[in-house]
Parts: sequence; structure tokens; C-alpha cells
Amino acid sequence: AQTVTQSQPEMSVQEAETVTLSCTYDTSENNYYLFWYKQPPSRQMILVIRQEAYKQQNATENRFSVNFQKAAKSFSLKISDSQLGDTAMYFCAFRVRTSGSRLTFGEGTQLTVNP
Amino acid sequence: DVKVTQSSRYLVKRTGEKVFLECVQDMDHENMFWYRQDPGLGLRLIYFSYDVKMKEKGDIPEGYSVSREKKERFSLILESASTNQTSMYLCASSSYRNANTGELFFGEGSRLTVL
Repeated sequence: AQTVTQSQPEMSVQEAETVTLSCTYDTSENNYYLFWYKQPPSRQMILVIRQEAYKQQNATENRFSVNFQKAAKSFSLKISDSQLGDTAMYFCAFRVRTSGSRLTFGEGTQLTVNP
Repeated sequence: DVKVTQSSRYLVKRTGEKVFLECVQDMDHENMFWYRQDPGLGLRLIYFSYDVKMKEKGDIPEGYSVSREKKERFSLILESASTNQTSMYLCASSSYRNANTGELFFGEGSRLTVL
């Protein structure tokens, strides 16, 4: 069974600064995907960024980037130039390549961006 | 844009009542999911469906059932609601076409309170 752990229930950052959210996972699989989802207050959860395990290069989407350490089973999210609209709950998620779209989620990290 | 619509944002029910949570997606997605979101526990998969009339148990199916009579609609049923089913329920869908990414599209959630 796969598990995903986010050890930071809450974090805060000042606007325009950089923040890193941590995620670790445990699996015996070799082919899998990792995701970060964002859930703004009272709004739908949306995909922020994804990483294929077979790719060594870290994924980047504008101000969002990941630090994927496969051997350490670590998948952190870095948000640069934080904006007030980044305030949200962030979930790390994992999917085995052969499991269809079935995702396993972490506990979530509530990020608050302060003006 | 993909739209996943959950019929009720907020519901209050009494212990023992039968509860229906409805979810409709408009993008012809094959896969549909019901998750439960609780603080500190993240999202946990209740049931999912890969096709009409097909269903599979997730990680916490006890006390729940589902129905998928049409491709666009996936219903979650609480046969006899209990207070420990007070939670946020999230519906999601995905397509075989994004099988490589497994991206899920979420509804806004239904917050259920059982008294």
C-alpha cells in the first residue's frame, strides 16, 4: 500500500517571499506519478503541478516548482514570489502508473500568504 | 472547461436518515470518484467507478454505497447516516485520455452534518 505524508499542517509566508511545502511518500512501486493539488477557500481543488517518477528533471509551472528526490521518496513544492491568491490548502498526491486515476492523498498543508 | 457539479453544498441530516449526494460531470469522463475530506486526514477514497454500472470500493467504503446509472452522474448514498459521517464529500472525475497524467477534476464539495 502507498502512503503519503505531509508533516506541516500549517504554514505562513509573507507576500513576495518563497515557501516550500514538504511531502514524503512510501511505495514499493517504480513507475508512478506525484501531484500537488491546491484547494482555495470554498473553491474547487485544482491541479498545480505533476511529476513523473521516471523523469529526473524537476517539474516547473511558472512560480511553482518541485524538488523530487526519488531515493529519499521526497516531493516538495516550492512557491516563489508568493501571492495572496496562493492562500489555500495544498495536498500532495501519489498514483501508481497502473492504477488508473486512483490517487492517494496526504493530510494537507494549510498555507496562508500574509500581506 | 470541465465542470463537476455537486448538487448540494451544505446538508444537515438526522441520524438514521438516508442521504443522497449527487455529482454530475459534463466532459464525458469515464472515471468518477467520491472522496471524503477530514481535517488532519486529507482525502480518503470511498468508492470509484470506471464505467456505467461499474463500481469499486475505495479505502473506506463502510457505511456507503454508490450508483452510476448514467455516464455523467455518480451518486453517493448513506443508507443510514451516522454522526461519524459528518464530513466534506468531494466528487471528482477523470478521462482515459489523461491516463498518463491521472489528473482529477473536482467538484466544490458537499459539507454534510449529521445530528
